[in-house]
Amino acid sequence: SAVISQKPSRDICQRGTSLTIQCQVDSQVTMMFWYRQQPGQSLTLIATANQGSEATYESGFVIDKFPISRPNLTFSTLTVSNMSPEDSSIYLCSVDGGELVGKYAKNIQYFGAGTRLSVL
Amino acid sequence: AQSVTQLGSHVSVSEGALVLLRCNYSSSVPPYLFWYVQYPNQGLQLLLKYTTGATLVKGINGFEAEFKKSETSFHLTKPSAHMSDAAEYFCAASLGGGYNKLIFGAGTRLAVHP
Repeated sequence: SAVISQKPSRDICQRGTSLTIQCQVDSQVTMMFWYRQQPGQSLTLIATANQGSEATYESGFVIDKFPISRPNLTFSTLTVSNMSPEDSSIYLCSVDGGELVGKYAKNIQYFGAGTRLSVL
Repeated sequence: AQSVTQLGSHVSVSEGALVLLRCNYSSSVPPYLFWYVQYPNQGLQLLLKYTTGATLVKGINGFEAEFKKSETSFHLTKPSAHMSDAAEYFCAASLGGGYNKLIFGAGTRLAVHP
């Protein structure tokens, strides 16, 4: 079964601070994705992170606000910078095995449990 | 542009009754289609997927879905609801073939009552 670990699982932060969320997967994957799920809503893709290249951001999301790192094929981080109460959401990491032969299939996304962020 | 529409933000059924959650997609080419389930305070779990081949796909927990190209639909069904099925269900689509961005529907909250 899929093992995609996110840390922290939840946090309460003060306005103006930053939080870095980690996503660790137990097998090498080509693509990692970061989503935001605002309260009571569906998921919105923030960015796609491929190892060895800059993250690709969706419309409405910018690198200064959501910097992403992808240092290797099993790990990524998302930072939520200069937080405001509007950033209170669940942030989810997902992976797609891509062309790599491993545990995760191509063209299918598997999700972590998410990070529940509240900003005061 | 690709989009996914889930009809009914809330569905309520009795235990043992048929579950039907509706999903329609809009895409210039047949997409890859997915159903995910989200239990309270958890991430998303893949229920089933359609990529190519057989249009009736079976997933976990007794769920199945049928891809109907003529109706641009991918409705999720389960013959007999169980209390443990109460959760949020999301339909999603991607174009596959290396273009892996998932477009999600708004979600349907399923309630199961005794």
